[in-house]
Formats: sequence, structure tokens, C-alpha cells
Amino acid sequence: QLRLQESGPGLVKPSETVSLTCTVTNASISSFSYCWGFFRLPPGKGLEWIGSVCDRGPTYTNPSLKSRLTLSVDTSETQFSLKLASVTAADTAVYYCARHPPYGSTINWFDSWGQGTQVTVSS
Amino acid sequence: SSELTQDPAVSVALGQTVRVTCQGDSLRTFYASWYQQRPGQAPTLVIFATNKRPPGIPDRFSGSTSGNTASLTITGAQAEDEADYYCNSRDRSPNYYVFGTGTKVTVL
Repeated sequence: QLRLQESGPGLVKPSETVSLTCTVTNASISSFSYCWGFFRLPPGKGLEWIGSVCDRGPTYTNPSLKSRLTLSVDTSETQFSLKLASVTAADTAVYYCARHPPYGSTINWFDSWGQGTQVTVSS
Repeated sequence: SSELTQDPAVSVALGQTVRVTCQGDSLRTFYASWYQQRPGQAPTLVIFATNKRPPGIPDRFSGSTSGNTASLTITGAQAEDEADYYCNSRDRSPNYYVFGTGTKVTVL
């Protein structure tokens, strides 16, 4: 059964870079059939798509975060990661990862969500 | 950029029917999907491609679209359906995925 699990530092200081990893079990990230995305839920706000990696190729990012965001796939092909630079309190959220069809597919969905990891930006 | 607008909250009596709506121009072009999120839990896909249910999702959940409005209907709401619900679609300009503002469904 496919499982995704997020991991991260928990607490980050303002202006620093936060790194999060999503570990995929029982599937290959390099599959052409799927992409792998990061999402977040800030306190009191709604879900937001952060960005996605597809196979070992292109990445796609939310325009509002593009200048601060780096997405990558680990060489083991069992993990994908994000780095978000220059964080502020507005980046405090629960961060999730999930699977979805190839970017730009006519039919899209996000499934097999990880349980989420809390990131708090505070000095 | 496109936006998807939802009512902040709706309530429904146990066993009755509730409709959650989502409005946005992108829905005229792209399919909607819907996600249930209970407090402290990860989101769960309940509807995709407007009206398809993933395995394991009860058939009391259904979806539809008309013009720029997508709807999620829960027929015979149960206590466990109390949650936040988010719609999702694509936007072409810029090319990214957008979620609705979210609706809190309360089962009375």
C-alpha cells in the first residue's frame, strides 16, 4: 500500500530556510504515471498547493512562492524535498505531501496524503 | 490568478442533505475535485473529475458542476461527515492548482 510521510525541523527562525522531506513507501517517484506535491494548511486558513515534482524532471511551483522555493527528488528516488527560503510567520503551517496525476492532466486529484508535519516560524 | 469561492460554513441535521458549492471561472474549463479534512487529520479525496468517488468513499457523497459552480452533496449526512471541505481545480494562467476557501460542515 502506498504511504507518504513528511519530516521536518518543527521550529524555524525567521529569515532562515526550512527543509522538508516526503518519504514514499511502496511506489517509485520516478514513475511517469504520477507527480508528487507539497501542500500546506496555515492556522485558520485554507489549503494551499505549494509545488510538485514529476519523475526526475520538471518541477512546478505556486507563483506566490516561486522565488523562495526549491523542489527536488532524492537520488534514492524514495524521497522528494522542498526548501523554502526567507521564511516568515506567514509560512507557519502544517505541511503535507500527496500524489497526483501528471501535471496538466485533464483529470486531477490528490491522494495518499501524508499525515502532515508542523512547521512553526518563530524566533 | 483564479480564485475558488466557498461559503465559510453550512450546517445540516443528522440524516438530511447538504450541498457545498464552489464558484470560480476555472471550473468552466477544468474538472473539480473535493477534499474532506477533519480536525488534526490529513485531507481525504472524496470526489474527483466532478462526480467520481475513489474506492472506500460512501455513495452518500456526490458531485456536479454547472457553469462556473461545482457542488458537493452529502445525502443523509452522518456525524462523521462533520469536517472542512475544500474544492480544487486548475488554473491556466498562471498554470497551477488552486483550492477553494473551504467550507466547515457541521452536523447537528
